[in-house]
Amino acid sequence: EAGVTQFPSHSVIEKGQTVTLRCDPISGHDNLYWYRRVMGKEIKFLLHFVKESKQDESGMPNNRFLAERTGGTYSTLKVQPAELEDSGVYFCASSLRQGPTDTQYFGPGTRLTVL
Amino acid sequence: EDQVTQSPEALRLQEGESSSLNCSYTVSGLRGLFWYRQDPGKGPEFLFTLYSAGEEKEKERLKATLTKKESFLHITAPKPEDSATYLCAVRGPGGGNKLTFGTGTQLKVEL
Repeated sequence: EAGVTQFPSHSVIEKGQTVTLRCDPISGHDNLYWYRRVMGKEIKFLLHFVKESKQDESGMPNNRFLAERTGGTYSTLKVQPAELEDSGVYFCASSLRQGPTDTQYFGPGTRLTVL
Repeated sequence: EDQVTQSPEALRLQEGESSSLNCSYTVSGLRGLFWYRQDPGKGPEFLFTLYSAGEEKEKERLKATLTKKESFLHITAPKPEDSATYLCAVRGPGGGNKLTFGTGTQLKVEL
C-alpha cells in the first residue's frame, strides 16, 4: 500500500512569488493534516480536513495560506505571496478515522525555501 | 496550551549501550501520546501510541512507557541503524485531532 506522497520534494522561490504544495493521502483515509517545521523549531499543526471539509484550521498562520481538498482526495496548500519566514518543511499526514485510535501517517515533506 | 519537552536534545551512544529518552508533557486531558522516528530527509515514521499511565509498548529494541507527566523511550542494546531523531507528540482534549510535537532527540549510535 502506497504511503502519503507529497510534491514537490523541494521548492525554491523568490519572496512575493506563489507556491503550491500537493499532498496525496493514503487511499481511503478521510482525514488529512498539514504541519510545518521551521528551522530549529518543532513540527507545528496547520490544519485538518475531514474529507473535503476543514475541521480545524487553527494553526494556519495568516491569510496568505490557502488549503483546499476538492473531492476529498488530494490536497493543495498554496502560499501567496510567499515571505521569507515561510521557509521550512511542510509535512502532510493522513489517518483513517478520528477518535482515540487515530494514527497519523506522515509523508516525506516538501522543503520550501523563500529567498 | 499543550506543551511537550524532550530531553536530551542529542544523545550519542556506543553500540549496545542502553539508554532512555524523555518526553515531558503538559496537557489537560491526554488523548494519546505518540512516538515517531524521523530519518534525515524523510517524514516522521509512527512507532507507538500510549493512552494511559502505566501503559507500555515494545517494538524490537524500543520500549515506550507512560506516566501522568512524562513518557520514556527506552532503547536496549542499540545498533547503528537506530540512529535517527525521535519525536514525541501529544493529542489534547476536545474534538480535534491535532498533534503537538516536541523538538525531538537526535540519537547517534556508533560502532
